[in-house]
Amino acid sequence: EDKVVQSPLSLVVHEGDTVTLNCSYEVTNFRSLLWYKQEKKAPTFLFMLTSSGIEKKSGRLSSILDKKELFSILNITATQTGDSAIYLCAGTAGGTSYGKLTFGQGTILTVHP
Amino acid sequence: DARVTQTPRHKVTEMGQEVTMRCQPILGHNTVFWYRQTMMQGLELLAYFRNRAPLDDSGMPKDRFSAEMPDATLATLKIQPSEPRDSAVYFCASGWNGQGISYEQYFGPGTRLTVT
Repeated sequence: EDKVVQSPLSLVVHEGDTVTLNCSYEVTNFRSLLWYKQEKKAPTFLFMLTSSGIEKKSGRLSSILDKKELFSILNITATQTGDSAIYLCAGTAGGTSYGKLTFGQGTILTVHP
Repeated sequence: DARVTQTPRHKVTEMGQEVTMRCQPILGHNTVFWYRQTMMQGLELLAYFRNRAPLDDSGMPKDRFSAEMPDATLATLKIQPSEPRDSAVYFCASGWNGQGISYEQYFGPGTRLTVT
């Protein structure tokens, strides 16, 4: 059974801190890893990573995938209170299951002023 | 601004009643997913369709849940009879997937279901 595990489960920081969120995966016929941000509503897409070692960046957020060690990290620099959310990672598989996401349990990030 | 829409946004019902949730995927997307989210279990995949064909509904309690996609613009999730343990937020998501390639999914706003 496919599995995605995130750590830490929760994190409390102050504005300006840098955080690193971890995601490890065991997905049969793995194709890509996705990161989502969920505030008090639906998850919104952040990144999709397919190739190992290539960093994707959007503003203060960046992410990288290591397909050898089966993990990904999401970095947020100079955190702001608006970064407070649940961050979800998910793995996708190829083959007949392509498109199906297996989600981790999420990391709850709280940024205090 | 294309987005997934879901109705109703909130539903409160009594145990034993039938509940139907509807989803309109983004036009052009060929894959539709139903998820359930609770504090205890996180985000769980219930069922998904590609080109309107059901591919996997193994996450769904078969005796009471059913998912259909009567046309490309409408997906439904039905619970009959509903139970208090079904209380959760139900998300629909859509994406485009083809030739073994997966792309990102876009989530609807969710239906918050409360069964008393």
